[in-house]
Amino acid sequence: GNSVTQMEGPVTLSEEAFLTINCTYTATGYPSLFWYVQYPGEGLQLLLKATKADDKGSNKGFEATYRKETTSFHLEKGSVQVSDSAVYFCALSREAAGNKLTFGGGTRVLVKP
Amino acid sequence: NAGVTQTPKFQVLKTGQSMTLQCAQDMNHEYMSWYRQDPGMGLRLIHYSVGAGITDQGEVPNGYNVSRSTTEDFPLRLLSAAPSQTSVYFCASSRGGVGSYEQYFGPGTRLTVT
Repeated sequence: GNSVTQMEGPVTLSEEAFLTINCTYTATGYPSLFWYVQYPGEGLQLLLKATKADDKGSNKGFEATYRKETTSFHLEKGSVQVSDSAVYFCALSREAAGNKLTFGGGTRVLVKP
Repeated sequence: NAGVTQTPKFQVLKTGQSMTLQCAQDMNHEYMSWYRQDPGMGLRLIHYSVGAGITDQGEVPNGYNVSRSTTEDFPLRLLSAAPSQTSVYFCASSRGGVGSYEQYFGPGTRLTVT
């Protein structure tokens, strides 16, 4: 079946530090890959997505590249801000499966001033 | 637009009680889903629907029922609450058809079963 594995947190960083959150997946066929972000007390919001191999998703300074050869979709940001403190979820979906999402366990990121 | 709305925001139940979590969307989305969020486990799919009158089970359906009589509404029923159902519940909706469309999430319902 489908599965997503992401690094456990919490990840604690200083402002302006570089952030990487690793994500690898197992899936049949050709899934689409997503990063969702959950700010404290809120629901999830889409951060970025990629729908085919070598696609790069980007938004708000975050980037992730769909690497089929390593089945990975690592999230990166060059200079984090306190406002980036949140829980980040890697997820996949397959059209053939009704676009249902399979999530990783989430990574909590805390950015200190 | 309100997007995806959920009620209530918080609920405490005693073991054995039943209740319905409400979810509505105003984006005319075909697909709707219910997830539960537990610490360290991400979100897991409970039930989903690809259109009015059509529902199916997700990864963790036991103890929950759904129905979808309209495009807008997708209520989740807990038949006989158990402490293992203590969780945060999220409803989501998305466009249907070909293409991996963004899912829009509601603000969540935090449920405690004692």
